[in-house]
Amino acid sequence: GAVVSQHPSWVICKSGTSVKIECRSLDFQATTMFWYRQFPKQSLMLMATSNEGSKATYEQGVEKDKFLINHASLTLSTLTVTSAHPEDSSFYICSAKDVGANQPQHFGDGTRLSIL
Amino acid sequence: GNSVTQMEGPVTLSEEAFLTINCTYTATGYPSLFWYVQYPGEGLQLLLKATKADDKGSNKGFEATYRKETTSFHLEKGSVQVSDSAVYFCALSDGSGTYKYIFGTGTRLKVLA
Repeated sequence: GAVVSQHPSWVICKSGTSVKIECRSLDFQATTMFWYRQFPKQSLMLMATSNEGSKATYEQGVEKDKFLINHASLTLSTLTVTSAHPEDSSFYICSAKDVGANQPQHFGDGTRLSIL
Repeated sequence: GNSVTQMEGPVTLSEEAFLTINCTYTATGYPSLFWYVQYPGEGLQLLLKATKADDKGSNKGFEATYRKETTSFHLEKGSVQVSDSAVYFCALSDGSGTYKYIFGTGTRLKVLA
């Protein structure tokens, strides 16, 4: 149980394009989802916390107009990288948290984004 | 503020060797503690967790005990396999209601046949 599906797993696109990444909890409802960015051989950097039905909470230094997050249902959150540039190239990972204070986050398999 | 300190890698072991990856934390209140494993090109998989002092989490031969007195949550395995080669992350959730994680820097493990 507790499967999180992230799509696409790999995307290559031209500079200036907007890219949407989907994160779905397949067998549980997730009131809270998280979006991370990971640079090579580094730890995960939290970008934002996404709560169903409300605006996302962004971490300091993360541009909310650049990284649009929508959490329209209890099983789906999306991250849209708007007008992507080469410096946005990275590995993006989502996670979803099951209901209950001590429940862990369950992670998707990540999306490798390459902007040419 | 809350923090997680993890031993630096890489850690290189021979197959069947004993593994310890140290993790210590600083937190107010009563955090929950987690170990995750990341294989190349993939997301993180939950390995084990502990939600209160003296809890022992275990899974797939790995175990870790929540030690409040030493603020530690060291990961151990008695006999590693080549397939255990991966990056291991220690994390805490401070229970503040945000459910955010504080991650350690990750420890890369390489097991040689």
